[in-house]
Amino acid sequence: DAKTTQPPSMDCAEGRAANLPCNHSTISGNEYVYWYRQIHSQGPQYIIHGLKNNETNEMASLIITEDRKSSTLILPHATLRDTAVYYCIVRVPGSGGGADGLTFGKGTHLIIQP
Amino acid sequence: DVKVTQSSRYLVKRTGEKVFLECVQDMDHENMFWYRQDPGLGLRLIYFSYDVKMKEKGDIPEGYSVSREKKERFSLILESASTNQTSMYLCASRPGQGLVGTEAFFGQGTRLTVV
Repeated sequence: DAKTTQPPSMDCAEGRAANLPCNHSTISGNEYVYWYRQIHSQGPQYIIHGLKNNETNEMASLIITEDRKSSTLILPHATLRDTAVYYCIVRVPGSGGGADGLTFGKGTHLIIQP
Repeated sequence: DVKVTQSSRYLVKRTGEKVFLECVQDMDHENMFWYRQDPGLGLRLIYFSYDVKMKEKGDIPEGYSVSREKKERFSLILESASTNQTSMYLCASRPGQGLVGTEAFFGQGTRLTVV
């Protein structure tokens, strides 16, 4: 899996859009970008994934640059419950002869301020 | 609602004890994973399994073994617990290969303390 680089922490005001960046400059053509988050004392939760087009679901939007070397996760109206560690992961789903584990880095600790 | 259930939320064991951490998923997923999470180190993959009776080492398998006798159950075994195995342990499952862009589902975690 390609490595990712994320800022260790970010603050965002409640009600504002939270924009979380991720660099993945060595991503290969068939690797997807995944985002997970982990709220304190809980297991990680899937948020969204994409290959090259921008994606949106009920939780967030994912913007991937045209060269695919970076992406941004957007939480459009952040709430206090969005305070969590956010992980950006790149991988090829179902690659190789068997299961491929997700490799989590240290992520970004997003703190939503009231 | 999809479910990955870990048998214990909190566990305290003595050094040298054999410890079993159990994980059950009800989604008929082929792939199951065990991670540990420590402050400053993020999640690290211990072992994973892509089918019944199949297992693969992750990044930090030393001191651990696993068992997958049934598709829905994946057990992590600490043969002789040591204090450096005090950690949060997370189980996850995911559908099999060929399903592009599939997501993983995590259990709530087991916080193990070895004294």
